[in-house]
Amino acid sequence: EAGVAQSPRYKIIEKRQSVAFWCNPISGHATLYWYQQILGQGPKLLIQFQNNGVVDDSQLPKDRFSAERLKGVDSTLKIQPAKLEDSAVYLCASSQIRQGNTIYFGEGSWLTVV
Amino acid sequence: DQQVKQNSPSLSVQEGRISILNCDYTNSMFDYFLWYKKYPAEGPTFLISISSIKDKNEDGRFTVFLNKSAKHLSLHIVPSQPGDSAVYFCAATYFGNEKLTFGTGTRLTIIP
Repeated sequence: EAGVAQSPRYKIIEKRQSVAFWCNPISGHATLYWYQQILGQGPKLLIQFQNNGVVDDSQLPKDRFSAERLKGVDSTLKIQPAKLEDSAVYLCASSQIRQGNTIYFGEGSWLTVV
Repeated sequence: DQQVKQNSPSLSVQEGRISILNCDYTNSMFDYFLWYKKYPAEGPTFLISISSIKDKNEDGRFTVFLNKSAKHLSLHIVPSQPGDSAVYFCAATYFGNEKLTFGTGTRLTIIP
């Protein structure tokens, strides 16, 4: 079974530029998550989709971050304009509904804002 | 407000001995707990979980213990192996939520 796919793996941009990350969840997983992990901290949920609807985006900085999951499969997370404090790993994850809440993560997209 | 806490940022254990990683939580609604393992430059990998209806769950060398009254859980790895060197995250959620709240992680180093 293929895992959660993310791209690009690494990105370096200047502040105020924009960046987009892509995620393809495990086939059949209805729930998709974007987490942000800053160095030395645990992952923090940015947004959760169920199929193509948003379940929770309470911690998404909506003035600069946006995410979409068209057709209920893959998803894109965009940051515009980027700030220095956005330097982090952006982890996409997916899960089946009612599978004991086990969430499976991709390898992450590492963003450095300079 | 840190609802899931891992108070030891790092831990070193001799190969072959037992590794014990600890996690505390404050939210009484949490009823499902997970441990994830993370190697550098990789995403977290699910390791083991436990429901609040149990106080112990075992999977090979890994055992998770849950003490609901103390709001504390621990992960035991025995015997510890060099490949166990990684960052371990404790996470918690509750029925109907599907959102994980993570601790800050403990870096485990197994000394050969």
